[in-house]
Amino acid sequence: KQEVTQIPAALSVPEGENLVLNCSFTDSAIYNLQWFRQDPGKGLTSLLLIQSSQREQTSGRLNASLDKSSGRSTLYIAASQPGDSATYLCAVRAGGTSYGKLTFGQGTILTVHP
Amino acid sequence: EAGVAQSPRYKIIEKRQSVAFWCNPISGHATLYWYQQILGQGPKLLIQFQNNGVVDDSQLPKDRFSAERLKGVDSTLKIQPAKLEDSAVYLCASGGGALSNEQFFGPGTRLTVL
Repeated sequence: KQEVTQIPAALSVPEGENLVLNCSFTDSAIYNLQWFRQDPGKGLTSLLLIQSSQREQTSGRLNASLDKSSGRSTLYIAASQPGDSATYLCAVRAGGTSYGKLTFGQGTILTVHP
Repeated sequence: EAGVAQSPRYKIIEKRQSVAFWCNPISGHATLYWYQQILGQGPKLLIQFQNNGVVDDSQLPKDRFSAERLKGVDSTLKIQPAKLEDSAVYLCASGGGALSNEQFFGPGTRLTVL
C-alpha cells in the first residue's frame, strides 16, 4: 500500500526566503507525481506534474524534483511572497495508467509573513 | 474551459440523516473521482469512474456511501445514514482530457454532521 509523507507539517517564513518542501513515498512504482496548492475553503490547484521518467519540472518561481528510486520529491519555492501562503499537497499516481489512483500526503501548511 | 462544478458548497445535517452531493466534470473528461478530505489530512480517494464504469471503490464505505455516474457525465455521491465521522470536505475531480495525466478539482462540498 502506497504511503505518502510530507515534511514539515507546517512552515512559517519571512517574505523573500527560498524554501523547500519535502515529500516521500514508499512504493517507487509510480506513474507520475503532482504538487498541488490548496487555499482555505477551496479546491486543489495543480502546480507541477512530473512524469516518472523525468527528474524535475519548473514553473516560474517553483521547481519540483523527483528521485523515484529513493522515493522522494522536493518542491522549491524561490523568493517567497505572502500570496504563497497555502497548504501544499504532494500526490503520487499508481503505476501503469494515466488515470490511476492518486495517493496524497497530509500537506505542508505554509505561511509567508511580510 | 469551465472547471469542475460541485453543489452544494456547504451542508449541515444531523447524524442518521441522508445527504447527496453533485458533480459536473470538465466536458470531455472520461475519468471522474470523488475524494474525502478530513480536516488536517490529504484527500482520500473514495471512488473512481472511467466513463460510467467503476474503476476503484476499494475505500468507499459501501454500507452507507453510494455513487453513480449516469451517462458518463455528471455524478452524485450519497451518504445514508450519515455519521459524525463523515464530517469532511468532499472533492470531485476529473481527468482524461488533452492533458490526460492531470486531475482538475472542483471547489468541494463541506459537510458538517451534528
